[in-house]
Amino acid sequence: EAQVTQNPRYLITVTGKKLTVTCSQNMNHEYMSWYRQDPGLGLRQIYYSMNVEVTDKGDVPEGYKVSRKEKRNFPLILESPSPNQTSLYFCASSSASGGNYEQYFGPGTRLTVT
Amino acid sequence: GENVEQHPSTLSVQEGDSAVIKCTYSDSASNYFPWYKQELGKGPQLIIDIRSNVGEKKDQRIAVTLNKTAKHFSLHITETQPEDSAVYFCAASQYDKVIFGPGTSLSVIP
Repeated sequence: EAQVTQNPRYLITVTGKKLTVTCSQNMNHEYMSWYRQDPGLGLRQIYYSMNVEVTDKGDVPEGYKVSRKEKRNFPLILESPSPNQTSLYFCASSSASGGNYEQYFGPGTRLTVT
Repeated sequence: GENVEQHPSTLSVQEGDSAVIKCTYSDSASNYFPWYKQELGKGPQLIIDIRSNVGEKKDQRIAVTLNKTAKHFSLHITETQPEDSAVYFCAASQYDKVIFGPGTSLSVIP
């Protein structure tokens, strides 16, 4: 089944403790992206990747890192999480080399930073 | 920076009535305008999209219109059904970045 998977689905952590949220797609998609969803703000793009080893900042990249060493994986790294990073996070992928095609979203990761 | 506004933020309609959600965007270079539906506990899913060289697109009960001059685009749902209840997001994209609107929570009352 074609899908985008994220792990973990739920995470509660403390301020400053490094964490990684994994994202994997099995559709051989070139474009992958991370979003955070907050009430009243919709989805805001954190980072995106046009292909392996090609990443760029979205609208809200501060406090996050990403890497794209393999086509299928696009992990999101929070080196020193803070409470304002408490949010619902979505990974997405697209078959085209840009963001202007249909994106397939993962199920989301709910992160709480205390 | 680029911005996408979306109205209304909440919308309640009777089953069978039509629903309209409107978006405006700021980046005149945007050329792709998708609409996503998000059901509770799930990730967003594309329901329809339109490109800048097209003024209108329809898929059964769903239609989208685009006015590039005014930088407006709208989602129209006819003959609404309870399963249409969800949060709807519009978005605008130029090539790499994607800017989403804040979302509209649609409730269809049986």
